[in-house]
Amino acid sequence: EAGVAQSPRYKIIEKRQSVAFWCNPISGHATLYWYQQILGQGPKLLIQFQNNGVVDDSQLPKDRFSAERLKGVDSTLKIQPAKLEDSAVYLCASKQGQARYGYTFGSGTRLTVV
Amino acid sequence: GENVEQHPSTLSVQEGDSAVIKCTYSDSASNYFPWYKQELGKGPQLIIDIRSNVGEKKDQRIAVTLNKTAKHFSLHITETQPEDSAVYFCAANPGSARQLTFGSGTQLTVLP
Repeated sequence: EAGVAQSPRYKIIEKRQSVAFWCNPISGHATLYWYQQILGQGPKLLIQFQNNGVVDDSQLPKDRFSAERLKGVDSTLKIQPAKLEDSAVYLCASKQGQARYGYTFGSGTRLTVV
Repeated sequence: GENVEQHPSTLSVQEGDSAVIKCTYSDSASNYFPWYKQELGKGPQLIIDIRSNVGEKKDQRIAVTLNKTAKHFSLHITETQPEDSAVYFCAANPGSARQLTFGSGTQLTVLP
């Protein structure tokens, strides 16, 4: 079974620029998550999708962050404009069905804002 | 919402010794508690999990215990090896949200 694919692996941008990350979940996984992991901390949820609908985006800084999952498969997370404090690893995870378990994480995209 | 606290933040042990990492959670409705290992440059990998209807679960050198009354759970690694060196995260699944809340992580170093 292929894992959760994320790209790019690394990105360096200047503050106030925009950036986009892409995630391809495991085939058949209806639930998709984006997490932000700041260096030295645990992952923090940004947004949760069920198919192509948003389940929870309460912790997404909507003034600068946006995410979509138009066809219920791939997802993109965008930051515009980026701030220095957005430097982090952005992890995508997916899960099949409504079970509480079975999360699989991608390797993440490391963003550095200078 | 759920709050997960994890201790210690760093842990060094000699090869062959045991390592214990502890977590507490706040939401009594949480009933799924996974542990993840994260190596440098990689995403979190599930190493063991426990559900609230079980008090202990073991998989070779790794075990997890859960005390629902006290709202804490622990990871035990026996006969540690250098390849066990990594950052370990605990997590809890709060209520019906179907999402994980993570602890702050423990950097485990196994000294040869």
